[in-house]
Amino acid sequence: GENVEQHPSTLSVQEGDSAVIKCTYSDSASNYFPWYKQELGKRPQLIIDIRSNVGEKKDQRIAVTLNKTAKHFSLHITETQPEDSAVYFCAARYNYGQNFVFGPGTRLSVLP
Amino acid sequence: KAGVTQTPRYLIKTRGQQVTLSCSPISGHRSVSWYQQTPGQGLQFLFEYFSETQRNKGNFPGRFSGRQFSNSRSEMNVSTLELGDSALYLCASSSGQDHTGELFFGEGSRLTVL
Repeated sequence: GENVEQHPSTLSVQEGDSAVIKCTYSDSASNYFPWYKQELGKRPQLIIDIRSNVGEKKDQRIAVTLNKTAKHFSLHITETQPEDSAVYFCAARYNYGQNFVFGPGTRLSVLP
Repeated sequence: KAGVTQTPRYLIKTRGQQVTLSCSPISGHRSVSWYQQTPGQGLQFLFEYFSETQRNKGNFPGRFSGRQFSNSRSEMNVSTLELGDSALYLCASSSGQDHTGELFFGEGSRLTVL
């Protein structure tokens, strides 16, 4: 079955710096890759996603890139702010109707 | 539109007991998935129900079971509780019919097994 690895497990950056989180997946047939953000004590929420026919997607300060050949995708956050501090989960899905497989999460701390 | 509601929010049980957790999805959503969240383990998929049928199942023992009712509300049950079952149990609903399938999570039920 699908397996998703995520690195790093923890990441600390200074406010204003960029943060990058990388995930690798095992099933080359996976075609949809969302990212969820979970603030402390709150529920995970979708922040951005990418489909396998696209190489990059941006939404203001966040972007996701996908390398299908290497089977990895990355979350990029620019100009980080304290409110970006949270746990970020990547996920992969093989096909519509299949379940998502989540990575173990990255705890991002943005230091003022 | 009301979000995903989970009850109870917190509960404490002892080893050997059983527990039932409830999840009410967003109105119109037909898919409900359940996840176990523990520190360092991320979100482990338990199972997904769509239109009252289990559509996908994760790698959890048979002590973990679930069901979905005709109004899409779902319950999960854990029998013969073990200490290792202590976790935050999250349910997520989605329409189950679109190509992305965005998951909308509830706030979770935090189970402590003593």
